[in-house]
Amino acid sequence: KAGVTQTPRYLIKTRGQQVTLSCSPISGHRSVSWYQQTPGQGLQFLFEYFSETQRNKGNFPGRFSGRQFSNSRSEMNVSTLELGDSALYLCASTTSSGNYGYTFGSGTRLTVV
Amino acid sequence: GQQVMQIPQYQHVQEGEDFTTYCNSSTTLSNIQWYKQRPGGHPVFLIQLVKSGEVKKQKRLTFQFGEAKKNSSLHITATQTTDVGTYFCAGSYGQNFVFGPGTRLSVLP
Repeated sequence: KAGVTQTPRYLIKTRGQQVTLSCSPISGHRSVSWYQQTPGQGLQFLFEYFSETQRNKGNFPGRFSGRQFSNSRSEMNVSTLELGDSALYLCASTTSSGNYGYTFGSGTRLTVV
Repeated sequence: GQQVMQIPQYQHVQEGEDFTTYCNSSTTLSNIQWYKQRPGGHPVFLIQLVKSGEVKKQKRLTFQFGEAKKNSSLHITATQTTDVGTYFCAGSYGQNFVFGPGTRLSVLP
């Protein structure tokens, strides 16, 4: 079966702009989580969506938001980009409980200049 | 808040040597998962441990869950260059999983 698909793979944006990243989960997976990965900070949890509702949220400012559609596809949006937002953004999908492991996408590499 | 710690942060070994990474939580975990991320890649699910004292093996990899369900370890016997990467544990406190900071393994040929 197809894996988790994230688009785009690479993105370069200017400070102050906004960006939208997309994630299509594995078919049948209703939970989608987003993570920010930087060399010094590891995997930082942004938020999780399940059945179109935000189920959990990490400690990120309100500039980071997300949503999930009825087909379980998810988007995350970052407004007013800052240089520090440069990172690899990973999305992971799983069944409702996560007890069968999370399947990660290849990520979107965002560079803010 | 809920936090999962991992040690060591980095480990350099000679090919053929053994390697162990440890994962610790201050509170009891429901279960724990392990992931491997190759350089330039994304995390890949390895295994989940659920029961107190559980031990699971995958070829040269041995995973353990502590009796108190607050710690876990991943041991690799006779490392190979293909083992290079960052190993993450992710602990569950109920509904969500919290990832540890990872242990980056380098294997020198």
